[in-house]
Amino acid sequence: AQSVTQLDSQVPVFEEAPVELRCNYSSSVSVYLFWYVQYPNQGLQLLLKYLSGSTLVKGINGFEAEFNKSQTSFHLRKPSVHISDTAEYFCAVIPTGNTGTASKLTFGTGTRLQVTL
Amino acid sequence: KAGVTQTPRYLIKTRGQQVTLSCSPISGHRSVSWYQQTPGQGLQFLFEYFSETQRNKGNFPGRFSGRQFSNSRSEMNVSTLELGDSALYLCASSLRGGRLNIQYFGAGTRLSVL
Repeated sequence: AQSVTQLDSQVPVFEEAPVELRCNYSSSVSVYLFWYVQYPNQGLQLLLKYLSGSTLVKGINGFEAEFNKSQTSFHLRKPSVHISDTAEYFCAVIPTGNTGTASKLTFGTGTRLQVTL
Repeated sequence: KAGVTQTPRYLIKTRGQQVTLSCSPISGHRSVSWYQQTPGQGLQFLFEYFSETQRNKGNFPGRFSGRQFSNSRSEMNVSTLELGDSALYLCASSLRGGRLNIQYFGAGTRLSVL
């Protein structure tokens, strides 16, 4: 089984400041990793994903994340945030192997990013 | 290309009633998954359908059921509603399901049980 931990439930930050949202996972098998964003009253939108290759992945809206296998982490970063980045961010994993678990994503509990002036 | 469409967006029901939620996937997508989102439990996987067959199921009671039609549209049904069923229900579609097929989410149906 997999589990995802997002230690920070809320992260307040001023506009134009950098931000890092932390994600750690636990799994006995290899996983693919994702970050999704949820704006108020909306569904989830894929920000970025790590499937293989370079451990630094770039996503939409200027976000990037780095996969660290030894630390089982996949932290999300943005060098300069904007008011419009205020949203809930979810880290998620799915096993890479054929374990019969199909498309079942395991999500973290989410981090609320609050950007203020 | 239209995204994932969920209807209705909001629902209010009373305990004991049943409810049906609908999800239309992105054109060409054949896999549909359902998730329940609550403040206490976060996002939890309900089930996945592919080619009209349930391929995977989460840890929810039998009151939660679903189906998929030949055009890939999916419905989920909750019978004998309980207060704890109040949640945002999200539907996600992907081309064929599986790990390499990215899931795209709809805006959700917010169900309130009174």
